Amino acid sequence: KAGVTQTPRYLIKTRGQQVTLSCSPISGHRSVSWYQQTPGQGLQFLFEYFSETQRNKGNFPGRFSGRQFSNSRSEMNVSTLELGDSALYLCASSAGQGARIVRETQYFGPGTRLLVL
Amino acid sequence: QKEVEQNSGPLSVPEGAIASLNCTYSDRGSQSFFWYRQYSGKSPELIMSIYSNGDKEDGRFTAQLNKASQYVSLLIRDSQPSDSATYLCAVDPSGGYNKLIFGAGTRLAVHP
Repeated sequence: KAGVTQTPRYLIKTRGQQVTLSCSPISGHRSVSWYQQTPGQGLQFLFEYFSETQRNKGNFPGRFSGRQFSNSRSEMNVSTLELGDSALYLCASSAGQGARIVRETQYFGPGTRLLVL
Repeated sequence: QKEVEQNSGPLSVPEGAIASLNCTYSDRGSQSFFWYRQYSGKSPELIMSIYSNGDKEDGRFTAQLNKASQYVSLLIRDSQPSDSATYLCAVDPSGGYNKLIFGAGTRLAVHP
């Protein structure tokens, strides 16, 4: 089975621009979570999508948004980029359940490294 | 207080020794616990998951969970230089909604 794929792998933007990152989960997985990793803050949860619905959101400003399509692929968008948005953005997929079922395991993609100048 | 705490290290062990990595968490309702390994410049790779109190073994790795003490640990037996990486403890307090809270990670260095 192919793993989680993310595109693009590297991106350079300037302050004020916007960016869209894409994630394709493992085949059959319905839940996609997004994380930001920086040297200072570590890995932080952004949001999670299941069946095209955002079920959970982290403590990030509204400039960070996402969506999920019917084929479970997901995109996240960051508008009005700031220097502090430079980070590794990771997508993780899991099988996903319709109810609150524990024992979900998340598998990470290779990440998109974003540099904001 | 941070939600998930780990010693940042580096933890230096000789090849063949046992490496012991520790993690504490603050949300008593958490039910899912994970250890991920991350090599420099790479994404996290799942090592172990554990959901019940006690030990869970997988090859050279043993995860230990004590919910009463809010403590998770990872033992790596017969450590190899290829085990040198950052080990991330992650807790899911969301009850299956896939919101992982990560510790800062412990950097492990295994020297020959």
